[in-house]
Amino acid sequence: AQSVTQPDIHITVSEGASLELRCNYSYGATPYLFWYVQSPGQGLQLLLKYFSGDTLVQGIKGFEAEFKRSQSSFNLRKPSVHWSDAAEYFCAVAGTLEAGNNRKLIWGLGTSLAVNP
Amino acid sequence: DAGITQSPRHKVTETGTPVTLRCHQTENHRYMYWYRQDPGHGLRLIHYSYGVKDTDKGEVSDGYSVSRSKTEDFLLTLESATSSQTSVYFCAISESYPRTYEQYFGPGTRLTVT
Repeated sequence: AQSVTQPDIHITVSEGASLELRCNYSYGATPYLFWYVQSPGQGLQLLLKYFSGDTLVQGIKGFEAEFKRSQSSFNLRKPSVHWSDAAEYFCAVAGTLEAGNNRKLIWGLGTSLAVNP
Repeated sequence: DAGITQSPRHKVTETGTPVTLRCHQTENHRYMYWYRQDPGHGLRLIHYSYGVKDTDKGEVSDGYSVSRSKTEDFLLTLESATSSQTSVYFCAISESYPRTYEQYFGPGTRLTVT
């Protein structure tokens, strides 16, 4: 079965520090991968996506993510965190027809980011 | 921002009563989804629609039904609300392939069943 694992439930960083949120997925071929962000009391917003090509993708709000096939990972990074980045971050992979997940996203459980001033 | 609205935004209801949540989009997107979000469970798909009158079940569809009679509206009905359905419900929309998986979310509806 397809799955997405976000190993860190909660992370705290200081403002200005770098950030890396981890995401691992299970899938055999080239996946479509996504990161979403959810600010408190809000809906989710697409941060960035990977479909093919360059394995380093840029997103909104200064975020980037790198696809590493050998590690089945799609980690999210930001060089310098701002207090406004405090939010919940979700990794997702596109479901496949073979796995019975056509047209669906398979979601990780999320990582909650706190930013210390 | 994608034009997605959800109504109501907050609702308190009693166990056993039917409840209908509405999702309305102005983007003319083909796909619409209903999720519920609960602490420790992340996002779970309830039902989704791939066109007018075309719907399919997600992973937690028991106790829920949906209808889509127009492109812009996707209704989620709790046939007889239970306390376990207390949750935050999100609607999402997406375009046809290859952008099917780029989902845009509404602001959510917080439902409390007492």
